[in-house]
Amino acid sequence: GAVVSQHPSWVICKSGTSVKIECRSLDFQATTMFWYRQFPKQSLMLMATSNEGSKATYEQGVEKDKFLINHASLTLSTLTVTSAHPEDSSFYICSARDPGGDPSDTQYFGPGTRLTVL
Amino acid sequence: GNSVTQMEGPVTLSEEAFLTINCTYTATGYPSLFWYVQYPGEGLQLLLKATKADDKGSNKGFEATYRKETTSFHLEKGSVQVSDSAVYFCALSRNNFNKFYFGSGTKLNVKP
Repeated sequence: GAVVSQHPSWVICKSGTSVKIECRSLDFQATTMFWYRQFPKQSLMLMATSNEGSKATYEQGVEKDKFLINHASLTLSTLTVTSAHPEDSSFYICSARDPGGDPSDTQYFGPGTRLTVL
Repeated sequence: GNSVTQMEGPVTLSEEAFLTINCTYTATGYPSLFWYVQYPGEGLQLLLKATKADDKGSNKGFEATYRKETTSFHLEKGSVQVSDSAVYFCALSRNNFNKFYFGSGTKLNVKP
């Protein structure tokens, strides 16, 4: 099946710094990518939908100036956590949609990035 | 609103035991229902799905039936293997499959 990668798999940063997480679709072109956040023992929460070449659509309650999303190519979306604080520590997961398949099958998930803000 | 509730884990079973992981949902309209599995160090993978009431999704010996009357989509397997050890997520999606609502995940540990 299709593969989605994320980089880095884990990152530790100091409070106040910015961190960029990359999400790549390795063998298909993804016009739409999604960013999720997962707290311990809780479900994945959709943060935003990233469309290639246009602005991301953020879910209610997600600060778009804090979580910057760029989808500059059909295989890469980035999430930048700006001025990170300890409460931003979480597991961030991306998924990418393969437009060539059955719509109900085609969200492929990356392995996630563990962010720890000290 | 839309939400998914699944049983808390971890669930620990011996090899060849019967597995049930409960999942119930709340949704407006007629959602599609999914089970995803996440093996250690990997991304979520679609395990099975059902897009309408009374459909049964099945894959790799796992199955789940979309029960509208009980708003449930319980995951079952007759005989688990050590290789089934993973985290299982129940999810629903409506309309165009862009937005998924996930349960909190259930970790399954299968001992030899």
